[in-house]
Amino acid sequence: GEDVEQSLFLSVREGDSSVINCTYTDSSSTYLYWYKQEPGAGLQLLTYIFSNMDMKQDQRLTVLLNKKDKHLSLRIADTQTGDSAIYFCAESIGGYQKVTFGTGTKLQVIP
Amino acid sequence: DAGVTQSPTHLIKTRGQHVTLRCSPISGHKSVSWYQQVLGQGPQFIFQYYEKEERGRGNFPDRFSARQFPNYSSELNVNALLLGDSALYLCASSAGTSGTSEQFFGPGTRLTVL
Repeated sequence: GEDVEQSLFLSVREGDSSVINCTYTDSSSTYLYWYKQEPGAGLQLLTYIFSNMDMKQDQRLTVLLNKKDKHLSLRIADTQTGDSAIYFCAESIGGYQKVTFGTGTKLQVIP
Repeated sequence: DAGVTQSPTHLIKTRGQHVTLRCSPISGHKSVSWYQQVLGQGPQFIFQYYEKEERGRGNFPDRFSARQFPNYSSELNVNALLLGDSALYLCASSAGTSGTSEQFFGPGTRLTVL
């Protein structure tokens, strides 16, 4: 079955690194995504990783995938106050767009 | 360039009523997906349409239906509204239907059922 879990809240100081974790249960997941949602704004795709990859880096963002443990993480380097938002982990199966989202992690960045 | 637009932005209905939500995709995008986001939770997939055909359906009752028009805009209809239907309804458009075809989300329609 499909189930994506995340911790609810993370607080970091500005300039530190943030690590947001996610676990999923469907081993046939093809793509795994990280979305950002700011108050009053729609969801924004930050990055995605194909299930046969272990790592993907994009500027300040690093995604790590441990397929054996079904664990996905998003590391944000040099976290800024503008990174404060809710971050959703999501998966799709079979390369299609029926995307299953996690419950979201609220990231609070303290100046 | 306009992004995904949704109307109305807010809506208040009473139990048992019917509601129609509208979505206009980004120009050139042929796929539209609908999601329901209950407060404090992640979005849940409702439908995907591509080239006016339903390509995917989530675990929602038959009270939920949708369609896509020749100009690729879409409507989501919900009949016999329940209190639990109160949520933010998000529309997303993409050029294609593969997992790598980025979905662009609209700002959503906030539905309140009293």
